[in-house]
Parts: sequence; C-alpha cells; structure tokens
Amino acid sequence: EAQVTQNPRYLITVTGKKLTVTCSQNMNHEYMSWYRQDPGLGLRQIYYSMNVEVTDKGDVPEGYKVSRKEKRNFPLILESPSPNQTSLYFCASSPGLANEQYFGPGTRLTVT
Amino acid sequence: QKEVEQNSGPLSVPEGAIASLNCTYSDRGSQSFFWYRQYSGKSPELIMFIYSNGDKEDGRFTAQLNKASQYVSLLIRDSQPSDSATYLCAGDYSGGSNYKLTFGKGTLLTVNP
Repeated sequence: EAQVTQNPRYLITVTGKKLTVTCSQNMNHEYMSWYRQDPGLGLRQIYYSMNVEVTDKGDVPEGYKVSRKEKRNFPLILESPSPNQTSLYFCASSPGLANEQYFGPGTRLTVT
Repeated sequence: QKEVEQNSGPLSVPEGAIASLNCTYSDRGSQSFFWYRQYSGKSPELIMFIYSNGDKEDGRFTAQLNKASQYVSLLIRDSQPSDSATYLCAGDYSGGSNYKLTFGKGTLLTVNP
C-alpha cells in the first residue's frame, strides 16, 4: 500500500530534550515536506526536500532540523524543544512540482 | 509574502444543498491550486486541483479558478453529512530551486442532516 508513515504518533516531552520524528514514504517520491498545524494558523511549511541531500527552509524553520540521506526518509529533528513547538506535525511527499501531496497520519507533540 | 485567504467559517448547510467554499490569493505567481479535505484529527486528503481558468468538475465537486480576480472556489453539490470537515485551499508557489505550497487556514463545513 502506498503510504507515508510517521513515528511516533503521539509524544509528550520536556523542554530541551532532543527528539526526532521519523517520516518514511514508499512511493519513490522526490519531494518531501514537513508542516506544523496550529489552531487559527493553519498548515505551515517547516522544511522541504527536493531530493536526496537537497533540503531548504520553509516558512517556520526556527528550532528544527532535517536531513535527507535516503530518498524514502525525511526525519524532523528538534534539538532543544520548547513549549511553543507544541503542535500537530505532518510529513508529506509528492512526485513532483504542482502535484498532489500525500500526507502522513500526523504526530501530535506536546512539550512541557 | 504569498498568502492564501479563506473564510474560516464555520459554514453550515443542510443536507442536499450546495456548499460554496472560497479562497483568494495575493500573489499571481501560483499556477496551481489544490483543495484538500481534513476530517477532525486526520491528515489532509486531496479533493481536486486546478491550474486553468474556468471550471473543473469531478463528481459532486466543482473547482473554479479565476486568475484575473485571484480567487479559487470549491462547490459541493448535494452535500452529505459525510462532507462535514475542514476544507483547505492551497496555492503551489514552487519553481526553480524552491518547493512551496501555501495553505489557507481552512474553512470548517458542517452539513446538517
């Protein structure tokens, strides 16, 4: 089944404790993105990748890191999480520009 | 700043009616627009995309794009309670070395039985 998977789905952590949210797609898509979704603010792009080893900042990259060492994986790293990073996070992949994005199931992160 | 604006709603329609969702955008640079549906607690899923002026129909859904007026709309005919969800409009501003989809904040639609 073609899909985007994210892990963990739910995470409660404390300020400053490094964490990684994994994202994997099995559709051989070149393009991948991370979004956060907050009430009243909608979906905002954090980082994106257009291919292996090619990543760039989206609209809200502060406090996040990403890497793309393999085509299928695009992990999101929070080196020192803060409470303002409490949010719902979505990973998405796409076969190319102006194409549908396929979203993962989401990761609900709470930073206390 | 590329912005996509939507009426936040909520929009409430009776079952069987036409639901009209609207979206405006500030930057003419986008060539493609997408409508996603998001049920509460779930991830967005694509309903339709449109990149040419005019109407595009798919079953009960019709997307309309007017580039001169910079608006995109989604009409849902014969609305069903299962259509109750948040609808997200997105403009694709990708090009060259960047990949960017800008989403509106979404419109919450409720279809009443």
